[in-house]
Parts: sequence; structure tokens; C-alpha cells
Amino acid sequence: EVQLLDSGGDLVQPGGSLRLSCAASGFTFGNYAMNWVRQAPGKGLEWLAHIGGDGEPTNYADSVKGRFTFSRDNSKNMLYLQMNSLRAEDTAVYYCTKDAVSNNGIYDAFDVWGQGTVVTVSS
Amino acid sequence: EIVLTQSPGTLSLSPGERATLSCRASQTITSNYLAWYQQKPGQAPRLLIYGASSRATDIPDRFSGSGSGTDFTLTISRLEPEDFAIYYCQQYGRSASMYTFGQGTKMEIK
Repeated sequence: EVQLLDSGGDLVQPGGSLRLSCAASGFTFGNYAMNWVRQAPGKGLEWLAHIGGDGEPTNYADSVKGRFTFSRDNSKNMLYLQMNSLRAEDTAVYYCTKDAVSNNGIYDAFDVWGQGTVVTVSS
Repeated sequence: EIVLTQSPGTLSLSPGERATLSCRASQTITSNYLAWYQQKPGQAPRLLIYGASSRATDIPDRFSGSGSGTDFTLTISRLEPEDFAIYYCQQYGRSASMYTFGQGTKMEIK
């Protein structure tokens, strides 16, 4: 079964840092680009970051560029989102997602989602 | 940046009825790189449709997508109780800047 398991969400103070993780299983991990998407309480979906199957390229939404870093360890089937300089508006459920098609040169639709991990930024 | 506008914001229907949800793009979406997702309370979104009209794995055939250019539609032919949820459209494509979501349509039981 193809599965993504998000973890690492927590309560953190404004200006603080947090690292989210996502464990992948059930597919050839290194063949697929991956993403992070978030959803603020009661709001819609916001794409945050994309990483290629071999770790390149990485792309970020303007709202997190320079503060968040997306990485992967293909030997462990793991994704990481390092979040620095956190703000109240970063409070959200964070989902890791898998691109639907491998190596097609398209920033593709997301066919598998993690269950989400909650990040709360508050003093 | 392409903006996706979904309508209506809320759709009130009864089980067994037909649902038609709209997603309009501010510019032409190339190659019909348009997806639809369903999200139920407390759950992650689920991919329903990609490429504007292709059903994802294990999606019932009562769900269908259509459209091209700037106007796209998700149709649910006969609503089942489990279909009452929020639906999002998403653009994707040849650059990450194309990743945008619509604001969602909430389908509620009338």
C-alpha cells in the first residue's frame, strides 16, 4: 500500500523553528517528486514546496521562500521540511504529497497525501 | 499567476441529485492540467480527477470532469451520502509556479 506518514508538528513560539518529517512507503520513492501543502484553520489549500525525485530542483511558494527548506533522503524514504522564523500565519495542518506520475517533467497532481501534522505558532 | 475561482461557494443538494461544480481560471490552462480533490472533515484531500477528465484510481464513475481552456466542471451524477464534502480544483503544469488551488466548494446536504 502506498502511504505517507507526516510527523513533527507541535506548538512553537513566533520566531522559532520546527522540522517536519514524512515517511514514505509502498512505492519507488526516488522516482517521484514530492511536495508540502498546508491548510490554515478553516481555510483552503496552499502549496508550499516541491522537490524533484533526486532532490533537485526545489521550488517554494513566496510565502515561505527563504524561511523553509525542503529536503529528502532517498536512502531512508524520508522527506523533511525545516521551518525557520515561524509566524502566526504559519499555523496550519501540513501535508506531504506525492506527484501522480514519475519523471514526466510535469509538476503533477497529487495522488497520495499524508494524514497531516498540526503546526501551531503562538506565544 | 493564474487564479482559480470556484462556484458556487456552497451547494445544497439532496442524495440522489446531480451536482455540478465549476472552476474558472483567469488564464488558459495548458494541456488541461487541472485536477479535482475531495476533502472530508478531519481528513486529507483525495485526488478525484486529473487532466481535467481522467478519474484517479478507485474513484467511482459517478464522478466526472470536463472542460478545457479556462472553464472546467466536476459533475457528480447521483449524490451519495459520502459525497458531501469540500471540493477543490487545482492547476498544475510545467513549473511549480503553476501550483494553485481554487478556494473550494462546500457541498452540503439540503
